[in-house]
Amino acid sequence: AQSVTQLGSHVSVSEGALVLLRCNYSSSVPPYLFWYVQYPNQGLQLLLKYTSAATLVKGINGFEAEFKKSETSFHLTKPSAHMSDAAEYFCAVISGGSYIPTFGRGTSLIVHP
Amino acid sequence: DTGVSQNPRHKITKRGQNVTFRCDPISEHNRLYWYRQTLGQGPEFLTYFQNEAQLEKSRLLSDRFSAERPKGSFSTLEIQRTEQGDSAMYLCASSERGGRGEQYFGPGTRLTVT
Repeated sequence: AQSVTQLGSHVSVSEGALVLLRCNYSSSVPPYLFWYVQYPNQGLQLLLKYTSAATLVKGINGFEAEFKKSETSFHLTKPSAHMSDAAEYFCAVISGGSYIPTFGRGTSLIVHP
Repeated sequence: DTGVSQNPRHKITKRGQNVTFRCDPISEHNRLYWYRQTLGQGPEFLTYFQNEAQLEKSRLLSDRFSAERPKGSFSTLEIQRTEQGDSAMYLCASSERGGRGEQYFGPGTRLTVT
């Protein structure tokens, strides 16, 4: 079975501050992990993915995430928030031979000027 | 490559009516997925196709929901006898054979049942 927990339904940061969005997963086998971003009234866009290569994964728009097996975590970070980063962020896991992802409930990132 | 497209973008219907949504995936992608997303939640998987074969449909929400992909290209999702609880965003995504699971999403169809 696979599951994802995103801690914090809302995260608020000031422009220029560090962004940290938390994701913990549960998987009985080595997982594939993903972060997606969703802007209002749009579909999801892939930010980055972990597929068992490097544990530090760099994505688009300056985001990166680190896979930590011992902590079963895949937290998303960005050194300096921009107003345009305000959106909903979803963590997702695929494990085993499945092609069906399980998504977390999402974290809304709010960026203050 | 124009990405995944969905039509209509918005649908308002009265309770009890049938609705059908269309999804056109990225042309070289052989897998196509349907999700439902309600406010404050992540996408909830409904069903998926590999080419024209529907490989998983046990998570369709009820027998009022059905999906087709007759020629392995576009897909339709139909909801019969709509209920107010069906109001949600319906998302379609596609992925390529051999991909590591990443999916490309369309903009969604927002359904409102009055």
